[in-house]
Amino acid sequence: EAGVAQSPRYKIIEKRQSVAFWCNPISGHATLYWYQQILGQGPKLLIQFQNNGVVDDSQLPKDRFSAERLKGVDSTLKIQPAKLEDSAVYLCASSPGRGGFFGQGTRLTVV
Amino acid sequence: GDSVTQMEGPVTLSEEAFLTINCTYTATGYPSLFWYVQYPGEGLQLLLKATKADDKGSNKGFEATYRKETTSFHLEKGSVQVSDSAVYFCALSDQQAGTALIFGKGTTLSVSS
Repeated sequence: EAGVAQSPRYKIIEKRQSVAFWCNPISGHATLYWYQQILGQGPKLLIQFQNNGVVDDSQLPKDRFSAERLKGVDSTLKIQPAKLEDSAVYLCASSPGRGGFFGQGTRLTVV
Repeated sequence: GDSVTQMEGPVTLSEEAFLTINCTYTATGYPSLFWYVQYPGEGLQLLLKATKADDKGSNKGFEATYRKETTSFHLEKGSVQVSDSAVYFCALSDQQAGTALIFGKGTTLSVSS
């Protein structure tokens, strides 16, 4: 069974630039999550989708972050404009229920 | 709100030593509990889980028992190997709050031969 696919693996941008991350979840998983993992900390939920709809985006900084899930499958997470404190690993996960299967993440460095 | 507290690391052990990583939680509902592992350069992998009180999750020689009376889910392994060196995350998913995971800060384990 194919796992959760994410791209790119690494990204370096300057502050105030924009960046987008892509995620393809495990086939058939209705729930998709984006987490932010800052160095030395555990992952923190940014947004949760159930099929096409947003279930929880309470911790998403909506002034700069946006996310969408296309046709209930792939998802993109965008940051515009980026700040230095956005440097982190962005993890996508999908799940048929509680828990989740994670992709390898995108390591973002904002300079 | 819900939260997970893990013991501070790093934990440094010799090969074949006994491992315990403590994890306690606070939750308003009836959470499922998880241990995830992150090997160097890799993504998060589910190690084991337990969905109700007194359940024991186990995998690859690791075990953890869901203790509702002490709100704990400590990770144990009887004999660690160098290949177990990784960061271990305790997490919960509370049905009252949806299915997203709430993670602890992680505990780094380093095993030397």
